[in-house]
Amino acid sequence: EAGVAQSPRYKIIEKRQSVAFWCNPISGHATLYWYQQILGQGPKLLIQFQNNGVVDDSQLPKDRFSAERLKGVDSTLKIQPAKLEDSAVYLCASNLAGVNYEQYFGPGTRLTVT
Amino acid sequence: LAKTTQPISMDSYEGQEVNITCSHNNIATNDYITWYQQFPSQGPRFIIQGYKTKVTNEVASLFIPADRKSSTLSLPRVSLSDTAVYYCLVDRGTSYGKLTFGQGTILTVHP
Repeated sequence: EAGVAQSPRYKIIEKRQSVAFWCNPISGHATLYWYQQILGQGPKLLIQFQNNGVVDDSQLPKDRFSAERLKGVDSTLKIQPAKLEDSAVYLCASNLAGVNYEQYFGPGTRLTVT
Repeated sequence: LAKTTQPISMDSYEGQEVNITCSHNNIATNDYITWYQQFPSQGPRFIIQGYKTKVTNEVASLFIPADRKSSTLSLPRVSLSDTAVYYCLVDRGTSYGKLTFGQGTILTVHP
């Protein structure tokens, strides 16, 4: 079974630039999450989708971060403009509907903002 | 949301049993205890979940005392490949639960 796919794996940008990350969840998984993991910390939930609707975006910095999940499958997370403190690994996860405690994570995208 | 406390780091040797204890004094009746494992440069991976007493799977065992204020993840006969960060989470364990990760425990297994 194919896992959660993410791209790119690494990205280096300058502050005030924009960047986008892409995620393809496991086939059939209705729920999709984006997490931010700063070095030395656990992942922090940014946004949760159920199919193509947002369930929770309470921790998403909406002045600069946006996310969408068109057609309830792939998702993109965008940062515009980026700040130095956005340097982190951005993880995408998915799970079957009703099994939120067992999430399947992708390898992540490591973002460095200089 | 119940807060969890676990050791920042632990060291062990190959072949030993490792027990990582997590404290969650404010756990609610509806909460479950879930453990995740994260290797460097990878996303976290679900290990085990339990509500009370003992749960065992092919990877680990989870011991939860009657008061549920703590839990212990037990890894039998660790190998070098078990070197990772282990997260203890307390969540609803249901369809609408939200995972909140703490800092985790860095386990280093030595030869």
